[in-house]
Amino acid sequence: EPEVTQTPSHQVTQMGQEVILRCVPISNHLYFYWYRQILGQKVEFLVSFYNNEISEKSEIFDDQFSVERPDGSNFTLKIRSTKLEDSAMYFCASGTSGYQETQYFGPGTRLLVL
Amino acid sequence: GESVGLHLPTLSVQEGDNSIINCAYSNSASDYFIWYKQESGKGPQFIIDIRSNMDKRQGQRVTVLLNKTVKHLSLQIAATQPGDSAVYFCAENSPGAAGNKLTFGGGTRVLVKP
Repeated sequence: EPEVTQTPSHQVTQMGQEVILRCVPISNHLYFYWYRQILGQKVEFLVSFYNNEISEKSEIFDDQFSVERPDGSNFTLKIRSTKLEDSAMYFCASGTSGYQETQYFGPGTRLLVL
Repeated sequence: GESVGLHLPTLSVQEGDNSIINCAYSNSASDYFIWYKQESGKGPQFIIDIRSNMDKRQGQRVTVLLNKTVKHLSLQIAATQPGDSAVYFCAENSPGAAGNKLTFGGGTRVLVKP
């Protein structure tokens, strides 16, 4: 069964450093998402991406964040200058047709900012 | 039920018994709902979904009930097994939510006792 994959599984970085989190969505999916989950809290929406542009972003997704689909398979989340409060589990998700359709999640990348 | 912050409500259930997990959703305009299961260190895994034109939907050992009048969703798991131990989240999708973002509830931890 096709799955969303994410790399790395864990990332430790120093405050102020840039990180890039990578995702390979399910191959025939057209809608891509990033969510995050701070330890013990709810899963929170960050951004959605369709047709090579951002469809919606949350207030968390400020200028330090960017997303890109550099080729036909990868979907990346970049944090330019990490802060301590960026420490969280970051999940990529993908879906076939957007509204009222299931979003399938990857296993996540655990980001720790020191 | 719902939770805020670090305190997840916990449902302890004997193996073989039925489990009922509840969720109060926030947006009366939401018309698509998903239940996800999250095991420790993993991403949310799709269990079952329901659209607002239905009040009940059944899957394999799972049933979702939707009460739009009181904005309440429940997940019933029949003959609960040790592998059902996890945190369960409901998520809602609203029309006009650009980018099809999902809004997640706080989660309920299910512990299955052998």
